[in-house]
Formats: sequence, C-alpha cells, structure tokens
Amino acid sequence: AQRVTQPEKLLSVFKGAPVELKCNYSYSGSPELFWYVQYSRQRLQLLLRHISRESIKGFTADLNKGETSFHLKKPFAQEEDSAMYYCALKDAGGTSYGKLTFGQGTILTVHP
Amino acid sequence: EPEVTQTPSHQVTQMGQEVILRCVPISNHLYFYWYRQILGQKVEFLVSFYNNEISEKSEIFDDQFSVERPDGSNFTLKIRSTKLEDSAMYFCASSGWGDTEAFFGQGTRLTVV
Repeated sequence: AQRVTQPEKLLSVFKGAPVELKCNYSYSGSPELFWYVQYSRQRLQLLLRHISRESIKGFTADLNKGETSFHLKKPFAQEEDSAMYYCALKDAGGTSYGKLTFGQGTILTVHP
Repeated sequence: EPEVTQTPSHQVTQMGQEVILRCVPISNHLYFYWYRQILGQKVEFLVSFYNNEISEKSEIFDDQFSVERPDGSNFTLKIRSTKLEDSAMYFCASSGWGDTEAFFGQGTRLTVV
C-alpha cells in the first residue's frame, strides 16, 4: 500500500529564513511525487512535481529514492508562502488513473 | 484560466437524507475524481471515473456512494443515506489525457446533523 508521511503538522519560520517541509513516502512501484499548496480559503493547487524538476515561487523538491523522500525547500521564505502544503504520490506506471495519495499536510506560517 | 467548479459550497443535511454534490470539471478533461477531507485529517481518495465508468474506488466508497456524469459536463457524487461521519469537505478534481496534473475544485463542505 502506498503511504505519504509529513511529520510536521505546523512549521513556523521568520521571513527570509530557509524553510524545509518534509515528506517521506512508501511505495513499492514507480511513484510520481507532487507538492500541492492551499492558500487560505482557496483551492488545492499544484505547486510542483518531481518529473518537471522546476522551481516554482522559489520552491524546489528533489526526489530521493534511497531515502524515499521528497522534501520541499525554499532558501528565503516570504510571508505570502504561508499556507497548507500537501505532499502527494501517484502511481506512475500502473493503472490507477491518476489517484493521488496525500500526506497529512503541513501548515507553514511565515512571520514578518 | 479554466477551473473546476463545485456546488454548493456548503450543504447541511439531516442524517439519513440523500445528498448530491455537483462538479463541473474542466471541459476537455477525461479523468474525474472525488476526494474527501474530514476536519483535521488528510485528503483521502474516494473514486476515479474514466470513460463513463468507475476506474478505481477506495474502501470508503461503499454502496452508499455513487457517481455519474449525467450530461457530459457535470460530474456528481451521491450519498444515498448520509451518516454523521460523512461530514467532511468533498473535493472534485479532473485531469486530461497524458497530463499528470489534477486540477481541484474549491470543495463542498458537507455537514450532516
């Protein structure tokens, strides 16, 4: 069974500080990993996915298959980064038709 | 930019009543999903729908739940006889062919009293 773990429910940093949101997964197949973000009163939206290897809004995430991790990082946090962040996993090679398995989410608060 | 839209934004219903949650996916998308999030818990997959049939469902999606795409644009989730524990935020999502990104609606908050 696939599982995604985000060990921190809450994370607080000051503006300009580096931030790392942790995500670990367990899955026997070939996973695709995603980070979704939900700003206050808004819908879930894709932040980034490991296959594209992009940097979005200064965030990056590297898939580490050895450590089964996909941590989200940003070197200098901004107040507008305050949101709920979800790590999610999808079966890349199977027939799951896009089913996502989510972690519990981490609420990031960036203080001025 | 096209969006997934859900109605209503909040639904209150009495235990035992039937509810229908509605979603309008992005128009050229082919895969449709329902997820739910009980307050304080993680977002959980309920069901995926492709080519006018369920392609996968979770163990949460029991006989009380059903989905359909009645008119080629709407995608509905029906709960036949609601229970208190069905109270949650329900999210609809859709994705296109070969595109791994799922686009989410803003959610319907269902409160069963």
